Formats: sequence, structure tokens, C-alpha cells
Amino acid sequence: AQSVTQLDSHVSVSEGTPVLLRCNYSSSYSPSLFWYVQHPNKGLQLLLKYTSAATLVKGINGFEAEFKKSETSFHLTKPSAHMSDAAEYFCVVSSGGYQKVTFGTGTKLQVIP
Amino acid sequence: GAVVSQHPSWVICKSGTSVKIECRSLDFQATTMFWYRQFPKQSLMLMATSNEGSKATYEQGVEKDKFLINHASLTLSTLTVTSAHPEDSSFYICSAITGVSYNEQFFGPGTRLTVL
Repeated sequence: AQSVTQLDSHVSVSEGTPVLLRCNYSSSYSPSLFWYVQHPNKGLQLLLKYTSAATLVKGINGFEAEFKKSETSFHLTKPSAHMSDAAEYFCVVSSGGYQKVTFGTGTKLQVIP
Repeated sequence: GAVVSQHPSWVICKSGTSVKIECRSLDFQATTMFWYRQFPKQSLMLMATSNEGSKATYEQGVEKDKFLINHASLTLSTLTVTSAHPEDSSFYICSAITGVSYNEQFFGPGTRLTVL
């Protein structure tokens, strides 16, 4: 079984300040973890993924995430928010060679100018 | 690589009509494709898993006679919403798996369906 919890449904930051979007997962097997971004009325864009290699994963647009097994977390961070980062972010887990993925409920990021 | 397209990107139809949505893997062969539904301000909900050459596997609560899925080739899966009603209005997103990375799905851009 697998599940993912995004702890915040809405995060608001000022432009130029750090971003932290939290994600915790549960899995009976070694998981693969992903962060996707979705802009309004658009499809999903992969930001980054963890697949059992380096625990600190760097993605596109300055985002990165750290896989912490002891904390079962995979939080997404960015040092400095940009207005274009305003969107919905989904944490996704897949495990056990199981083709199905499980989506978190999403976090809406608001960037204040 | 690993690009998935959907057509149409948006469609408006009258209640009672049927609508077909196509999902194509453009640069790889996808033995498995998935169909998701997303209501406004909600997460994606898996509707069905589509395997090439076999019947789709539907998630609990999804009407298979309402949402017909055909995966006739390794690059194309179609979702047909039959006798559409306003409550079927939603954002439909497909995804596909390559033969290399089974845990990663590549998502299409989505199709916005509005039923009047």
C-alpha cells in the first residue's frame, strides 16, 4: 500500500523569499517520488523525481527536494520564489514496481509581489 | 523524449452526445496508459488503466459503460464519454509508461470537457 500527504493545501510567500512545500509518504516498498507542477487549465509538468539514487534531487526552475527515509518526507524547496512559480504542486508516490501512482491532494502556491 | 499528446485540448458538447478523447505517445511505445479525471481545485483521480490489446481495468466507482477506453495500438488510447451529462464536465488527463521506467508516468496536457 502507498499513500502521500501534502501537509498544506495553500502556501503563500513573497517574491524572492524561500519556498517550502511539504510532502510525507507511506510505502511498503522503496518508493519513487515525484513533484509535479500544474498551472491553471494546463497539464502536469515534472519538476523532479527521486528513484533511489541521490537523496537530494535537483529539478527544473531552481527547485529541489530531499528524500528523508527516517522522516518519510520529500519536501520541495526553492531558495527564491518567482511570480511564475504560482501554481498547484502535486507530490506523487509510486512503489513496489507497481505501475499505479498515488497523488497528494495538492498545494496551491501563491507568490505575492 | 517521452512526450504525450491529447486531442482535443478542449471540447464543448450537448448533453446526451458522446465525446472521444485521444491520448498519443509521440516518441515511444506505451504498453500501458492511464486515464485520470480532475475536478476543479482537486487532485487527479485515476479512472482506469489501459493496456494495449486488452480490456481496460477500471477503478472502483467508475462506470465502464459510461467511459469507454480503447487501447488499440502501442501509441494510442482513446476515452469515449458516452451520453455525456453536465456532471461529466471535468479535466481529463492521460498518462503513459515507457518500457524503461515503470514507476514514472508521462502526462498529457489534458482535455477540458464541458457538457451543456
